[in-house]
Amino acid sequence: GAVVSQHPSWVICKSGTSVKIECRSLDFQATTMFWYRQFPKQSLMLMATSNEGSKATYEQGVEKDKFLINHASLTLSTLTVTSAHPEDSSFYICSARAGRPYGYTFGSGTRLTVV
Amino acid sequence: GESVGLHLPTLSVQEGDNSIINCAYSNSASDYFIWYKQESGKGPQFIIDIRSNMDKRQGQRVTVLLNKTVKHLSLQIAATQPGDSAVYFCAVLLGGYQKVTFGTGTKLQVIP
Repeated sequence: GAVVSQHPSWVICKSGTSVKIECRSLDFQATTMFWYRQFPKQSLMLMATSNEGSKATYEQGVEKDKFLINHASLTLSTLTVTSAHPEDSSFYICSARAGRPYGYTFGSGTRLTVV
Repeated sequence: GESVGLHLPTLSVQEGDNSIINCAYSNSASDYFIWYKQESGKGPQFIIDIRSNMDKRQGQRVTVLLNKTVKHLSLQIAATQPGDSAVYFCAVLLGGYQKVTFGTGTKLQVIP
């Protein structure tokens, strides 16, 4: 139980285009989901907290107009990277809290490459 | 704000030996701690957690020790196996378990 599915697992896009990443909780409901960004050989950095039915809470330094988050249902949150640039290339990971004993469960990540 | 760090960025261990991965945190109000394992190209996988009212918790081949006095926790892996090779992160939670802060990460290399 407590599976978080992330899609796509990898995506390559052209500079200036937008990319949407989906995060789904498959067997539990998640009123809150979290989006992280991870550069190679670095730790996970929290970008934003996604709240079902309300606006996301962004961490300091994260551009909310560039990283659009929508949490329209209890099982789905989406992250849209708008007008992507090569510096946005990274590993994006979502997470949701499933409750004990699973705790915070993570998706498998999305490797974004902007060319 | 919270900062979490690790003492060793890379740890090489002989197969069968025990591994100890350390983590320091700065906020004494932190009350929930989690260890994650991340294999290359994958998301973090939960290993074990501990709350601040405990100083030790054991799982299968893993033990987490928490020393609140010096704000330090460690992950011990018994009889390390090649499959344990990965990057290990400690995570610290604040504010009603809503915000997770990750440490720098330690890469564990198991030598066959």
